[in-house]
Amino acid sequence: DAGVIQSPRHEVTEMGQEVTLRCKPISGHNSLFWYRQTMMRGLELLIYFNNNVPIDDSGMPEDRFSAKMPNASFSTLKIQPSEPRDSAVYFCASSLAVGEQFFGPGTRLTVL
Amino acid sequence: DAKTTQPNSMESNEEEPVHLPCNHSTISGTDYIHWYRQLPSQGPEYVIHGLTSNVNNRMASLAIAEDRKSSTLILHRATLRDAAVYYCILVLNNAGNMLTFGGGTRLMVKP
Repeated sequence: DAGVIQSPRHEVTEMGQEVTLRCKPISGHNSLFWYRQTMMRGLELLIYFNNNVPIDDSGMPEDRFSAKMPNASFSTLKIQPSEPRDSAVYFCASSLAVGEQFFGPGTRLTVL
Repeated sequence: DAKTTQPNSMESNEEEPVHLPCNHSTISGTDYIHWYRQLPSQGPEYVIHGLTSNVNNRMASLAIAEDRKSSTLILHRATLRDAAVYYCILVLNNAGNMLTFGGGTRLMVKP
C-alpha cells in the first residue's frame, strides 16, 4: 500500500485566494483526520470523519475552513478566503476503528 | 481528557539506550498509552501502545508502571535516525479517533 497520499506537497498562495488540500486515505480505513501543525500551537486536530461522515469538527478554526469526504477514498480541506495566519503544515491521517493512525507526508501551506 | 507530561528535550549518544518518560497521573482504566514520533519534515508515525503490561515491538519497548500513572518508552540502541519528537498520548478504549498531541520530547542523538 502507498500509505496516505496528500496533494499538493507545497502550496504558496496570496491572501484572499481559495486553497484546496487533498487526501487519499489507506484503502479499507474507515476513519480520516485532518490536523494542522504550527510552531506556536503544535499539532491540532481540525476535523475527523468516520465512514465518510464528519463526527467532530470542533477544531475547525472558523467558517473559512470546510472539509468534505464524498467517498471512502478521498477527502478535501478547503480554505476560502485564505489568510497569512493559515500558513502551516496540514496533515491527513487515516485509521481503522481501533489502533494506530497513519499519517500522510503533509502539505506545507504558505499564504503571503 | 487525561493529560500527559513529558520533558521538553533529551539527549542521547548513538548506540546507547534511551529511556523517554511520560507521566499520566489522571489516566483512567480504559485509556491506552500510545507513543508516536515525528521525524524532521515528516508526519507523525506510530511507535507502540499498551494498556497494562509491558510491550515490545521491532521499534521499541514500552514499560508501564504498575499503577499506570507513568510509562517509559525505551529505544534499546539509539541511532541518528531516531532523532525526532516523541509524543505520549492517551487513547480512550484504543479507539481510532482523536489524538490530542502535547508538546512531546525532542530527542537529540549525538554521534
